[in-house]
Amino acid sequence: GAVVSQHPSWVICKSGTSVKIECRSLDFQATTMFWYRQFPKQSLMLMATSNEGSKATYEQGVEKDKFLINHASLTLSTLTVTSAHPEDSSFYICSADDNRGPSYEQYFGPGTRLTVT
Amino acid sequence: QKEVEQNSGPLSVPEGAIASLNCTYSDRGSQSFFWYRQYSGKSPELIMFIYSNGDKEDGRFTAQLNKASQYVSLLIRDSQPSDSATYLCAVNGGGGNKLTFGTGTQLKVEL
Repeated sequence: GAVVSQHPSWVICKSGTSVKIECRSLDFQATTMFWYRQFPKQSLMLMATSNEGSKATYEQGVEKDKFLINHASLTLSTLTVTSAHPEDSSFYICSADDNRGPSYEQYFGPGTRLTVT
Repeated sequence: QKEVEQNSGPLSVPEGAIASLNCTYSDRGSQSFFWYRQYSGKSPELIMFIYSNGDKEDGRFTAQLNKASQYVSLLIRDSQPSDSATYLCAVNGGGGNKLTFGTGTQLKVEL
């Protein structure tokens, strides 16, 4: 199968600090990874598309200077939430595009629950 | 704006029954369609994908696609309490690999 890991699974940080979340594809290479955010009882919101070796593409309304994305290798993308505030508290989930398949299926990591105090 | 619509539910079915989950999409250029299951507090898990008109079966799950009607559905046969979750429909438009997600349908399978 296609396995995606995320680390950490949960994190609590103080307002104003930065938090880095890692997303790894474990058994396949992912030229494209995606970062989503999900608030309670709401659907997934795509934040950005992370492409290996190039700049991330951010969705409208997502601050690229606040949510820094680095896709340094074919198996690792990182999301750094800079100067976090309580309103950034959310469930952050990454996914990786298994481009071995015919239909751009995305496989999700287990998510990172961020709480900013 | 590309939209994917789902009834939020909850959809309640008795154990052993067939659960039918529906999804409509607005972009006629959409090419691939996905069903994800999401348990409370967890990330989505891919159940099935379909890209050709008709039915696709995998175990107790059947995905149905009708591109003319811009409609995709998921049938779950012999529903089990462990199937209780939110089911997300996702659509991939042609020319890229981004997915557009619906808001999900909550399914409750009752004993």
